[in-house]
Amino acid sequence: DTGVSQNPRHKITKRGQNVTFRCDPISEHNRLYWYRQTLGQGPEFLTYFQNEAQLEKSRLLSDRFSAERPKGSFSTLEIQRTEQGDSAMYLCASSSGVANEKLFFGSGTQLSVL
Amino acid sequence: GESVGLHLPTLSVQEGDNSIINCAYSNSASDYFIWYKQESGKGPQFIIDIRSNMDKRQGQRVTVLLNKTVKHLSLQIAATQPGDSAVYFCAEEHGPNTGKLIFGQGTTLQVKP
Repeated sequence: DTGVSQNPRHKITKRGQNVTFRCDPISEHNRLYWYRQTLGQGPEFLTYFQNEAQLEKSRLLSDRFSAERPKGSFSTLEIQRTEQGDSAMYLCASSSGVANEKLFFGSGTQLSVL
Repeated sequence: GESVGLHLPTLSVQEGDNSIINCAYSNSASDYFIWYKQESGKGPQFIIDIRSNMDKRQGQRVTVLLNKTVKHLSLQIAATQPGDSAVYFCAEEHGPNTGKLIFGQGTTLQVKP
């Protein structure tokens, strides 16, 4: 499978715990994006990387959230001290970075904070 | 502020009929628009895109129309099939060549056999 891969698919955690998600983009895609989607809504942009550089962070991304892409390949998204409002689908997408090149999305990680 | 929205949350059509899903956007400076399809438990899947210098673009069974005068985008699906049942989102790119997309709320397409 050469698509965008996300792990885990589902994560259930208790409020206050830390969680980390992983995204493996399509090979050789230099852009990687994180989005968040709540039930019944469209995805919301969180942040994106060009290779290992984080180029933009949304105001939605509080200081409890941190994303990394240390080698310009896979990326991790960590949420510290989770809150019930963090419950959502976290989607990763990648693209080649060419103008108007479409984003390919993974199947997401569904986070439930109890 | 910027927003991308859809007119109807749910659209129900008979198999074989044509479907039209509408979207209104507010940022007149937007240059690039995309339609995505999302099935349950999956991420959004690219359907078709259009740039602001075009008013129509066709794909396989799908057509996107862009009316910049009224800031309206539509997706037409010909001969709708059960496999087309999904949530459809329009999205606009925020900033040229960023890949940062602003999505609407989505329209659920239900195809009746």
